[in-house]
Amino acid sequence: DAMVIQNPRYQVTQFGKPVTLSCSQTLNHNVMYWYQQKSSQAPKLLFHYYDKDFNNEADTPDNFQSRRPNTSFCFLDIRSPGLGDAAMYLCATSTLIYNEQFFGPGTRLTVL
Amino acid sequence: GDSVTQMEGPVTLSEEAFLTINCTYTATGYPSLFWYVQYPGEGLQLLLKATKADDKGSNKGFEATYRKETTSFHLEKGSVQVSDSAVYFCALRNTGTASKLTFGTGTRLQVTL
Repeated sequence: DAMVIQNPRYQVTQFGKPVTLSCSQTLNHNVMYWYQQKSSQAPKLLFHYYDKDFNNEADTPDNFQSRRPNTSFCFLDIRSPGLGDAAMYLCATSTLIYNEQFFGPGTRLTVL
Repeated sequence: GDSVTQMEGPVTLSEEAFLTINCTYTATGYPSLFWYVQYPGEGLQLLLKATKADDKGSNKGFEATYRKETTSFHLEKGSVQVSDSAVYFCALRNTGTASKLTFGTGTRLQVTL
């Protein structure tokens, strides 16, 4: 089945230690998104790629970076995680032709 | 800017009760409207959508009608089950915003036997 896959599902890192979360998709969608979702809050868009065109949200901290080496993969890099970065990170995909975004299961990040 | 307002939870219902979760929106233009569901420990799944006024989205017994006159997209189900316990997010996507979704804060539904 076509899907959005996120690895790992749970990630623990130490304060200030760089961490990378990964997302892959078999949907062949043009657009890939990263959202941050803190407990009991709505998902907050960090950035998205349309093909290789990177689009950063104005309020996304510089601490968050992203890479998309090919259509199928997208990475979220947190350069120096703080305690406030502990959250669920959701990857989603879409093609601009449709309105629908398809979400992965998320990676829950814990910062110690 | 665009915004979505949902009723605060948690909503606690007995199995087979009728469900309504209110959602209203503010947006320019003619947005598409969505309901997403998030089961414990999982990502979001699209539950239903409507792309223009008076459209009714439906899936798995859930329904929502796009009401432009009241800027609402309330989620309803005639008879909830314990397995419907989850967090429900209302969202909109406006035209010209490159597929960006604006979410409400979510409403937790708890269904008990």
